[in-house]
Amino acid sequence: RKEVEQDPGPFNVPEGATVAFNCTYSNSASQSFFWYRQDCRKEPKLLMSVYSSGNEDGRFTAQLNRASQYISLLIRDSKLSDSATYLCVVKMGGGFKTIFGAGTRLFVKA
Amino acid sequence: GAVVSQHPSWVICKSGTSVKIECRSLDFQATTMFWYRQFPKQSLMLMATSNEGSKATYEQGVEKDKFLINHASLTLSTLTVTSAHPEDSSFYICSASVNEGHSPLHFGNGTRLTVT
Repeated sequence: RKEVEQDPGPFNVPEGATVAFNCTYSNSASQSFFWYRQDCRKEPKLLMSVYSSGNEDGRFTAQLNRASQYISLLIRDSKLSDSATYLCVVKMGGGFKTIFGAGTRLFVKA
Repeated sequence: GAVVSQHPSWVICKSGTSVKIECRSLDFQATTMFWYRQFPKQSLMLMATSNEGSKATYEQGVEKDKFLINHASLTLSTLTVTSAHPEDSSFYICSASVNEGHSPLHFGNGTRLTVT
């Protein structure tokens, strides 16, 4: 079993749709959680950190369920520019070790 | 915010030559940096963890004698691809975190290596 698993995708949605990405992690020692976005042929860029209480940044909402070891990202009113690969990232406690999910590709179409 | 700079952005070299890629943390000190490789349409693959002042830790299957890592200062790590071959053509990315705690990884802009 992979340490961090994401929906395989790809997701193809029309503009304005709401999209949900799911991620599960296997190591209960995981301490910090993030969503990154990676555009084609570019480096990953931090989209948002994920907090236990859930957090929102504009159209983006992230949630964490430690009991279920589950993380989610919701994108509302999707835009063409949201097309990218979304990476679920988990950082272990007590060090720098960071585990990346394989990513879920999103295509938003007009 | 934390900035990681990587150089060069792209490089084309001939088979058999060596290529050095630099990764710098511009506004913070990084005792640990990470090197990744990404082939087209595939996930990021961690190659090695670069530790300032000590030997790098390589992931299984990564040849340490082929991918030389030097982390000589708190702001600079280098990856040298020695005797490059066409199969080494890939996108190489470095990253660093401000601290061991809740700080996220920040990535360099990546280096696209093409070996002819």
